[in-house]
Amino acid sequence: DAGVIQSPRHEVTEMGQEVTLRCKPISGHDYLFWYRQTMMRGLELLIYFNNNVPIDDSGMPEDRFSAKMPNASFSTLKIQPSEPRDSAVYFCASSLFKGGQETQYFGPGTRLLVL
Amino acid sequence: AQTVTQSQPEMSVQEAETVTLSCTYDTSENNYYLFWYKQPPSRQMILVIRQEAYKQQNATENRFSVNFQKAAKSFSLKISDSQLGDTAMYFCAFMKQEGAQKLVFGQGTRLTINP
Repeated sequence: DAGVIQSPRHEVTEMGQEVTLRCKPISGHDYLFWYRQTMMRGLELLIYFNNNVPIDDSGMPEDRFSAKMPNASFSTLKIQPSEPRDSAVYFCASSLFKGGQETQYFGPGTRLLVL
Repeated sequence: AQTVTQSQPEMSVQEAETVTLSCTYDTSENNYYLFWYKQPPSRQMILVIRQEAYKQQNATENRFSVNFQKAAKSFSLKISDSQLGDTAMYFCAFMKQEGAQKLVFGQGTRLTINP
């Protein structure tokens, strides 16, 4: 399997611009997670989906952040408008809920820099 | 709420030595999973090892093994015959077996293997 795929790997944008991060989970996995990693706050869970349905978005910092999962093989995390404090590494992870197999596998991450 | 604590922000050992990273957690759950993830300079999050709380036998993966003490809520990672490629941030993580598939991460330990 190709693993979790994220794009782009690096993104540099200016404050106020819209940013869209993309994720393709491992085929057959039914959970998808979006995390953010910063030096100050470590790894934070932003939102997660089960069978394409958002289950918990309590970690989404502000209304500027939104996430969608239109089908089982694709998810997006959008920031509009972006701010310098959004600069971080954003990870997507997926897992399969199947007795004893609940392990999250992470994508390579997207490094976002907002100037 | 569950919490995970890694009390060693940084560690450094010589190549070929054995090193143990500490992790403690707090939970009222009886059934759960514990994980160690490795994050090398590439920032990729890589699963190192996992442990099911209902299993008394400690998990092992080649040079990596854990010491799981359920009563003490301790989950340490031992790396034997350390290699330069083991240099990375190591994160301990907890997940409940039932309900939300959310990972709770510790703050991380930065491990450096010196030649």
